[in-house]
Amino acid sequence: AQSVAQPEDQVNVAEGNPLTVKCTYSVSGNPYLFWYVQYPNRGLQFLLKYITGDNLVKGSYGFEAEFNKSQTSFHLKKPSALVSDSALYFCAVRDFGGSYIPTFGRGTSLIVHP
Amino acid sequence: GAVVSQHPSWVICKSGTSVKIECRSLDFQATTMFWYRQFPKQSLMLMATSNEGSKATYEQGVEKDKFLINHASLTLSTLTVTSAHPEDSSFYICSATPGSGGTEAFFGQGTRLTVV
Repeated sequence: AQSVAQPEDQVNVAEGNPLTVKCTYSVSGNPYLFWYVQYPNRGLQFLLKYITGDNLVKGSYGFEAEFNKSQTSFHLKKPSALVSDSALYFCAVRDFGGSYIPTFGRGTSLIVHP
Repeated sequence: GAVVSQHPSWVICKSGTSVKIECRSLDFQATTMFWYRQFPKQSLMLMATSNEGSKATYEQGVEKDKFLINHASLTLSTLTVTSAHPEDSSFYICSATPGSGGTEAFFGQGTRLTVV
């Protein structure tokens, strides 16, 4: 079985400050991990993924995420937040060698204040 | 990245009528596509897995006779909401993963269905 937890419903940050959106996962084998962003009334846009290799993954729009196997976490980060980053963020996991269907977290609403 | 196009973006229909939503993979072939439903401020709920050339696999609790899925080609899957009721009003999203080594899913723009 695979699962994802996004412990925060909402994250508030001031523009220019660093942001972190948390994600923890559980899989039986090795994980494929993903972050997506959703703007109102839009589908999900792919941001970045971890498959293997470097634990720090860089993605679109200046976002990055760090894979931590011991803590089973894959937190999304950005050094300097923009108001336009305000959106709904989803973490997802697939079990390598297991189900090809990703499991999504419940989503975290990021609000960046001017 | 790969492109998935979903149409229409929004639709309003009367109770009792049927609505068809199309999902196309524009630059890759997709033997499998996924249909999700999303309620306001909530996560994605997987409704069904659409398999090209065969019957869709529905998640528990999803009425297959109400939500008809057809995946007639490697680039097109359709979701038909039959005899729609106001409680079917929701945001529907499709996704697909490019075959042959693809890992991440790509999503359509979503369809906002309102049943009046």
